[in-house]
Amino acid sequence: EIVLTQSPGTLSLSPGERATLSCRASQSVSGNFLAWYQQKPGQAPRLLIYGASSRAAGIPDRFSGSGSGTDFTLTISRLEPEDFAVYYCQQYGSSPRTFGQGTKLEIK
Amino acid sequence: EVQLLESGGGLAQPGGSLRLSCAASGFTFSSYAMSWVRQAPGKGLEWVSGISGSGGSTYYADSVKGRFTISRDNSKNTLYLQMNSLRAEDTAVYYCAKEEVVAATFGYFDYWGQGTLVTVSS
Repeated sequence: EIVLTQSPGTLSLSPGERATLSCRASQSVSGNFLAWYQQKPGQAPRLLIYGASSRAAGIPDRFSGSGSGTDFTLTISRLEPEDFAVYYCQQYGSSPRTFGQGTKLEIK
Repeated sequence: EVQLLESGGGLAQPGGSLRLSCAASGFTFSSYAMSWVRQAPGKGLEWVSGISGSGGSTYYADSVKGRFTISRDNSKNTLYLQMNSLRAEDTAVYYCAKEEVVAATFGYFDYWGQGTLVTVSS
């Protein structure tokens, strides 16, 4: 089973700043099949990125994904108030599909 | 518009059973694999089980294998999760999720339901 470790656990930033979230895999993610999700309190997760770098439909271009192999990054170029939430990475290259433990992005 | 609506959650005793349902609309249900993903209170996401579009292939996390059974009725556009031998650690919000498979064996989750809460307690 591939273990995904996200860092930092909590990231405190201000609106307008740049956010960089990391996801490290215990072994190489096949095909770079890695997705990112955003979850707000009381809501279901929302798909942001798939295939490590492809934005899902309707996702603003301030969200971008990068990386390959074992190291992946989600970048939010300029934080909007609605971006403060918990973010999860997930690999779907092998079974079982696994999620990282999440990074909470909070307002500083 | 894709919609996924879960039902069937509630309180169950340890060792008991529950059956979750997920009614799907807005897409050709039989063409897509589906999964159940759960989230324990205050915790992260855990994939639980998945099923192919035809229903011919099923997959389970080790934590539920032998206790949970995923199935689907494509004539009713409905996904199910039969949960037996429930344990306290199964307490969670259970989401159904539509899978999108692009150049991979397994999919990522492009649409999610709102979730249904399962509480296992005596």
